[in-house]
Amino acid sequence: GEDVEQSLFLSVREGDSSVINCTYTDSSSTYLYWYKQEPGAGLQLLTYIFSNMDMKQDQRLTVLLNKKDKHLSLRIADTQTGDSAIYFCAVPIQGGKLIFGQGTELSVKP
Amino acid sequence: DAGVIQSPRHEVTEMGQEVTLRCKPISGHNSLFWYRQTMMRGLELLIYFNNNVPIDDSGMPEDRFSAKMPNASFSTLKIQPSEPRDSAVYFCASSLGGSNEKLFFGSGTQLSVL
Repeated sequence: GEDVEQSLFLSVREGDSSVINCTYTDSSSTYLYWYKQEPGAGLQLLTYIFSNMDMKQDQRLTVLLNKKDKHLSLRIADTQTGDSAIYFCAVPIQGGKLIFGQGTELSVKP
Repeated sequence: DAGVIQSPRHEVTEMGQEVTLRCKPISGHNSLFWYRQTMMRGLELLIYFNNNVPIDDSGMPEDRFSAKMPNASFSTLKIQPSEPRDSAVYFCASSLGGSNEKLFFGSGTQLSVL
């Protein structure tokens, strides 16, 4: 069946770059998403990329998409303590559903 | 717009009791989704509605779970009778279009069934 995989934890030092990876087994031809969840809150749309692009940059965020390998990544430049959160990738599949990964907990140490 | 509004924020109940969770989607959004989040299973889609009509309820775990959307601005998720394994955070989300569009999430209801 459809599956979206992420590593569960990532720890970086403040000022470093963070790279969160996501692999998926199936995707329909629309957008792929990254969501951010802070403690005690709902998921918030962070950024997205259209499936015919391979890169999108949005200030400190860079999204890379490798459709051949079915690999999506989110790079956060100059990571700050306020970036500590759980990051979810979300991939649409045939039939119109959005499948979420398990989430990667990013911990930023000062 | 105030965003997606869920109530209550926290619910503590005893096993066997009925629980009703409420959601007000963003005005003008046509689709509404109920998700459940647990440590073990992550984020699971329970059911989604498009134009107030249930489209896919294949994620609803058991007959104890039911959801309604009587109008475009209100939805409920009911668990009757509740069980300890239903303890989770329940999120409501809405989107302008279909189920693979940008979703906007509420703050969730933290449910604890004792």
